Parts: sequence; structure tokens; C-alpha cells
Amino acid sequence: GAGVSQSPSNKVTEKGKDVELRCDPISGHTALYWYRQSLGQGLEFLIYFQGNSAPDKSGLPSDRFSAERTGGSVSTLTIQRTQQEDSAVYLCASSFTGTGNTEAFFGQGTRLTVV
Amino acid sequence: AQSVSQHNHHVILSEAASLELGCNYSYGGTVNLFWYVQYPGQHLQLLLKYFSGDPLVKGIKGFEAEFIKSKFSFNLRKPSVQWSDTAEYFCAVKRVYNQGGKLIFGQGTELSVKP
Repeated sequence: GAGVSQSPSNKVTEKGKDVELRCDPISGHTALYWYRQSLGQGLEFLIYFQGNSAPDKSGLPSDRFSAERTGGSVSTLTIQRTQQEDSAVYLCASSFTGTGNTEAFFGQGTRLTVV
Repeated sequence: AQSVSQHNHHVILSEAASLELGCNYSYGGTVNLFWYVQYPGQHLQLLLKYFSGDPLVKGIKGFEAEFIKSKFSFNLRKPSVQWSDTAEYFCAVKRVYNQGGKLIFGQGTELSVKP
């Protein structure tokens, strides 16, 4: 596609439910990133995928958070047993490669509200 | 651990004033450096980037940044701001080698320009 696409754009869920957030990166981009943006907190790194390498999961805040990337393209971020503090905008970005001199392109984000 | 620090949380300027936003990072190896901007209600966009070569880089809308390797800094500047520059600005750093690819952001600086 022309840009990074994220869905849904907005998600309201009840505390304790599981949610899945989807990211479609730019075609041909091998690197994919997930971030969480909370009010006044900047962009918090969650996870990074590069090609077929093992993902860097060092930013996932708890074991309720997981992500996968199927076929080196689409990625899904799953949050289990959601809590109110999970409310934030979840951003996805992709780049041609993570290790070379390339920039990341961002999607519009998914605004998650846990009630 | 790799970290990025932006010195100012919120900056308020009048139109035509000069702007300098500070950014420092902690990683000592080869890095790529970026400034991203997020206008109200819009997604993150690349403002400028440094990969190698001339440490003074120019970006869109009259912005520039200077990479000072000895100070681990990449400060953003604009000689004369406009009301339309009101936005949040994020500095980001990516390692090029040794665990390269992970893109880490600073906390962001909110810029408000008064007309």
C-alpha cells in the first residue's frame, strides 16, 4: 500500500477483555515497530521486528502484551486482560530495513480506551 | 541501555522567534538520528534525518539540526518560527551496528507558537 495502515482507528473495550491491533506495513519494508503513546509520555518502544530475525521484545511492559508478524508483513499486537492503564494510542511504523540508513514511516495509530 | 533525552517538555514562543530544541542520546557507537513532528490530529512525519557526512542537516519547512558527536547531541533549530509550527517534536536515535535497528524516541517537546 501507499503507507502504513493500522486498524481499527479507535477501539473501546471493557477492562479484562483481550484486544488485537493490526498493522499493515509499507510493501517491501522488512522492519516493523510498535510504540505506545500516552499523554505526556512520549513514544514508548514496545517491540521491533526485522526480517526473519527474532523480534526485540524488550519494550513490552508485561506478559499480557504480545505481538507477531506473519509472513514478514502484517503484524498484530495483542493485549490480554486489558487494564485501564493500557489506554493509549498504539503506533506502528515500518522501514525498508532496520539496520541500514533508512527512516521509519508511521501509521495513524489505534486509540485504545479501556473502560 | 540506549536512551534519548529531550531537554524541554513545553516551549512557548512568539512568531518570528528563533527555536532550538535540545536532544541528547546515550549510545556511543554509530547512529542514525531523526527528528519527527506530530501536528495536532496528524500522524508522525519525518522532519529531518542524519545518516553520515555533513553534520548540519536541513529538513522541511526551514528546520535544520546539527549533529555534534562529541556531545552526543542533535539539536533542532529554526531561525524564525511560524504559528503553523505548533506541534510536538520528537528526537529519535537508531543504532546502526550491534543490536542495530531499534529506534528509540525521546519524550517529545510540545511547541506552542503564539500568533
